[in-house]
Amino acid sequence: DSGVTQTPKHLITATGQRVTLRCSPRSGDLSVYWYQQSLDQGLQFLIQYYNGEERAKGNILERFSAQQFPDLHSELNLSSLELGDSALYFCASRAAGQYYNEQFFGPGTRLTVL
Amino acid sequence: AQSVTQLGSHVSVSEGALVLLRCNYSSSVPPYLFWYVQYPNQGLQLLLKYTSAATLVKGINGFEAEFKKSETSFHLTKPSAHMSDAAEYFCAVSYPTGNQFYFGTGTSLTVIP
Repeated sequence: DSGVTQTPKHLITATGQRVTLRCSPRSGDLSVYWYQQSLDQGLQFLIQYYNGEERAKGNILERFSAQQFPDLHSELNLSSLELGDSALYFCASRAAGQYYNEQFFGPGTRLTVL
Repeated sequence: AQSVTQLGSHVSVSEGALVLLRCNYSSSVPPYLFWYVQYPNQGLQLLLKYTSAATLVKGINGFEAEFKKSETSFHLTKPSAHMSDAAEYFCAVSYPTGNQFYFGTGTSLTVIP
């Protein structure tokens, strides 16, 4: 158990819909990272937050957005869903202070868009 | 550009044989290096990391990796493969100049009985 929790575990929805994925980092970790993993694209970095502020952006579509709340949990919002958005979405958290601190990954949310 | 390359997207070894998974980084700034393992339908978990304290790093499950600056490499090895080692392995780097991690494309390890 990494200490990072993600809900829901599975999500099935239809094209055009909007969903919200939730992540709670390890206690005390200020950084949250979001990743998308699909068979054809591999592990793709989406976005990073640090203590409520966006710090880095990767290959995140404009239809996707995220935020980190004062209690440090984060949400990833996916809208106007397409079949190609079907993937595993991971959240990871990282302790502050040292650049050699590793990321701890949650179990993921499997999104299926029908 | 700062990046990490994993040579070989699929590696097959016989049970009991040596496991060698390759990782090379490209940067002029010495990085911090990580190996993660992902079992089916699970999140990534850390195997080991290099933080400049020692070039040979020992991790969990009998894995180890050696940082070679001259070769810009951080290859993962295990002397004797077990069936339970079958998984996806990711190499990653971070730098003392930013917050971001850079992951390789992953290597799928198959262990043949």
